[in-house]
Amino acid sequence: AQRVTQPEKLLSVFKGAPVELKCNYSYSGSPELFWYVQYSRQRLQLLLRHISRESIKGFTADLNKGETSFHLKKPFAQEEDSAMYYCALSGIMNTGNQFYFGTGTSLTVIP
Amino acid sequence: GAGVSQSPSNKVTEKGKDVELRCDPISGHTALYWYRQSLGQGLEFLIYFQGNSAPDKSGLPSDRFSAERTGGSVSTLTIQRTQQEDSAVYLCASSLGRGGYGYTFGSGTRLTVV
Repeated sequence: AQRVTQPEKLLSVFKGAPVELKCNYSYSGSPELFWYVQYSRQRLQLLLRHISRESIKGFTADLNKGETSFHLKKPFAQEEDSAMYYCALSGIMNTGNQFYFGTGTSLTVIP
Repeated sequence: GAGVSQSPSNKVTEKGKDVELRCDPISGHTALYWYRQSLGQGLEFLIYFQGNSAPDKSGLPSDRFSAERTGGSVSTLTIQRTQQEDSAVYLCASSLGRGGYGYTFGSGTRLTVV
């Protein structure tokens, strides 16, 4: 079963417009959620994690347990935000601690 | 080391040949993961190690794929009798093995099967 769903494979927004990358998850316990980002020709790197309740590069994400969502938001998109974004879930499975990634959303910010 | 190191960074091989991909995780990271990233696709989970054991091999696409980890450190992913559909970027990540710390990824090995 897909534990992390990112419904949008591609997302384009204009510079300065708000952006929201959707992520929904399926997990019966208390998961830990993350967003990872991969800029062109760079390695995949951690953007933010819900337990830190931080804002990185203007991005925020709130864990909504009722809606089982962890959408990534930024009020004003910048061209340098163009990248591939992955939502990930960490939880204790019968095989131990395990990470599950969504299929990713490719964000393009149009100048 | 300071980060997750993968080698080689690029590998071109002929169809039918075997290849070995290496991952050197961050020192002290007990958990190690292999993923595959194909062009235009997301991350495909392959295998997970906790120490030297692999409690989850469910992502290995066929019996041509195998992986091992020795000394709780370096891991090798082996692909036998490579096929063109094996062409992808193979990513390794490590973590402390407990939730909340996230992964640190290597820069990947780009495998091209011709």
